[in-house]
Amino acid sequence: DSGVTQTPKHLITATGQRVTLRCSPRSGDLSVYWYQQSLDQGLQFLIQYYNGEERAKGNILERFSAQQFPDLHSELNLSSLELGDSALYFCASSVGQGSDSPLHFGNGTRLTVT
Amino acid sequence: GENVEQHPSTLSVQEGDSAVIKCTYSDSASNYFPWYKQELGKRPQLIIDIRSNVGEKKDQRIAVTLNKTAKHFSLHITETQPEDSAVYFCAASRQTSYDKVIFGPGTSLSVIP
Repeated sequence: DSGVTQTPKHLITATGQRVTLRCSPRSGDLSVYWYQQSLDQGLQFLIQYYNGEERAKGNILERFSAQQFPDLHSELNLSSLELGDSALYFCASSVGQGSDSPLHFGNGTRLTVT
Repeated sequence: GENVEQHPSTLSVQEGDSAVIKCTYSDSASNYFPWYKQELGKRPQLIIDIRSNVGEKKDQRIAVTLNKTAKHFSLHITETQPEDSAVYFCAASRQTSYDKVIFGPGTSLSVIP
């Protein structure tokens, strides 16, 4: 168990809908990262937060947004969903502010858009 | 921005043989290079990492080497076992506050009993 909690585990929704994915980092970790993993694909970096502030951004679509709350949990909001958004979404946390700390991944949320 | 390439994309070895996975990175300022293992249906997990002030690091059957001049680093697994079968991802990042951890596309390793 990595200590990173992601909910829900599975999510099935229709095109055009909006969903929210939730992540609770390991106790003591201040950084949260979001990654998208499509079928048989790699880990595409979406966004990173540190102690409530956005720190780095990847190729995150404008339809996607995220935030990190004062209690350090993070939410990834996906709107106007398309079939191509179906993927496994991972949250990871690390202890430091820098990108040189090991990432601890949650078990992911599998999103299916029908 | 940083780009990480990884080869091969798939690799099959006989149990007991060695496996080598190679990665190249584009950003010469990158100085942290972790490797993650993702078993089927599971989350990625860190197996070993190396920083730019070190040329090689070993942990039991796995080792990582780094060539900063050529901007490439490699994962070596010796005496492979069936439980080593997984997808392996390399990554590169700078040791700064505002950098993203960029992963390579992954290598699917199959160890044949």
